[in-house]
Amino acid sequence: EAGVAQSPRYKIIEKRQSVAFWCNPISGHATLYWYQQILGQGPKLLIQFQNNGVVDDSQLPKDRFSAERLKGVDSTLKIQPAKLEDSAVYLCASSLTQSPGGAGRGGYTFGSGTRLTVV
Amino acid sequence: AQSVAQPEDQVNVAEGNPLTVKCTYSVSGNPYLFWYVQYPNRGLQFLLKYITGDNLVKGSYGFEAEFNKSQTSFHLKKPSALVSDSALYFCAVRDEKQAGTALIFGKGTTLSVSS
Repeated sequence: EAGVAQSPRYKIIEKRQSVAFWCNPISGHATLYWYQQILGQGPKLLIQFQNNGVVDDSQLPKDRFSAERLKGVDSTLKIQPAKLEDSAVYLCASSLTQSPGGAGRGGYTFGSGTRLTVV
Repeated sequence: AQSVAQPEDQVNVAEGNPLTVKCTYSVSGNPYLFWYVQYPNRGLQFLLKYITGDNLVKGSYGFEAEFNKSQTSFHLKKPSALVSDSALYFCAVRDEKQAGTALIFGKGTTLSVSS
C-alpha cells in the first residue's frame, strides 16, 4: 500500500510569513495526526483528527497554527505568521482506527515529514 | 500527566555486541508502549509495541523490548548490533485511560554502532 504522503519536503521562509503543509494519509485511514519535531526533541502532537472532526488540539498554538481535514481525507496544516521557534520537522501520521494498538497492522504510519526553517 | 524518559542521549556499541536503549515511563493507568526508529531525513518507523500479555515483545529487525511494570521501564534490546542499526530511537507511551490515541514521545536516543 502507498504510504503517508507529505509535501513539500523542505520549506524555508522568513519570520512573519505564512506557510502550509499538506498530508495525504493512507487510503481508508480515519485517524490523522500532525506532530511537530523540534531538533533534539521527540515528536509532539499538534492535532488529531478522526475523519473530519478534531479529537485533540490541546497543544496546537491556535493564535498562529490552524489545521483542517475537510473531506476526512487530505489535511493541511498552516502557520501564520511564522516565528523562528517554529523551525522543526512537521510529521503527519495516520491510522485505521483509534484502537490502542498504535502502529503496525492498521496502526500508525508516519510520513517523511516537512522540514521547515524560519529565518 | 503522562511522560517518557530516555536517559541517554547517545549509546555507542561495537558491531556484534548486545545493545540496550533505555526507556522509562509514567502514566496513571496501564501503558501502551512503543519503540520507533528514525533514519536521517525519514519518518518514524515502527519497531514494536507492548499492549498486554507477555512482557517480552519481539519486533522488527531482531529488536525486542521487555516491559517491567514495577520499574516502569520498557528497554529496547538486540543481542547482536549491526552497523545498519545506527539511527535515532524513540520510545513512546499512551495511557489506556486517555481519550485520544496520540502518543507521547521521549526525546530520543542516538544509537551508534561501530564496525
